[in-house]
Amino acid sequence: GAGVSQTPSNKVTEKGKYVELRCDPISGHTALYWYRQSLGQGPEFLIYFQGTGAADDSGLPNDRFFAVRPEGSVSTLKIQRTERGDSAVYLCASSLGRLEDTEAFFGQGTRLTVV
Amino acid sequence: GEDVEQSLFLSVREGDSSVINCTYTDSSSTYLYWYKQEPGAGLQLLTYIFSNMDMKQDQRLTVLLNKKDKHLSLRIADTQTGDSAIYFCAERSRPGGSQGNLIFGKGTKLSVKP
Repeated sequence: GAGVSQTPSNKVTEKGKYVELRCDPISGHTALYWYRQSLGQGPEFLIYFQGTGAADDSGLPNDRFFAVRPEGSVSTLKIQRTERGDSAVYLCASSLGRLEDTEAFFGQGTRLTVV
Repeated sequence: GEDVEQSLFLSVREGDSSVINCTYTDSSSTYLYWYKQEPGAGLQLLTYIFSNMDMKQDQRLTVLLNKKDKHLSLRIADTQTGDSAIYFCAERSRPGGSQGNLIFGKGTKLSVKP
């Protein structure tokens, strides 16, 4: 596709349920990033992939959060036992390589609401 | 620790210049960025500056960096109503670590009045 695609655009789930959020990066982009943006806040880094491997997962808030990128393209962010505090917009971005070399392109985000 | 601070709101009249300010704490920051977020849209990179520069100009946008004071500003000349959005300052630091970890401020909401 032309840009970074995230699905679903909106997700409402009940507290305690499991959710998966999907990110399709721009074709050929080796770097992929997940951020979380709570209401009135700036995006907060979660995890960064270079190819298939998580180069930095220091932003994941706890072990309920996990992300994979098995073939170095599509990535899935997985949240177990969701809590109301997980409600936020989850943003995905991709770039050709290192962030300082090229622009990171952001998707529209998935708005997650935990009720 | 790392922190990026911005004022939350700015209101200007159409045709005036807008100046959005940002302070950061990590002196090892290598790149500093300005992103724009319009309602319901994703983040759009406007411009960035490398830490060894003190100014960068790109059409209506001018970025000034005062590394001594850890102060970054974005000036938008001839502000238009289409410039109304939230503007985020971000720094990339951790030279020994991730290349992908940006630290964002909370954003400055720019309102442009006709």
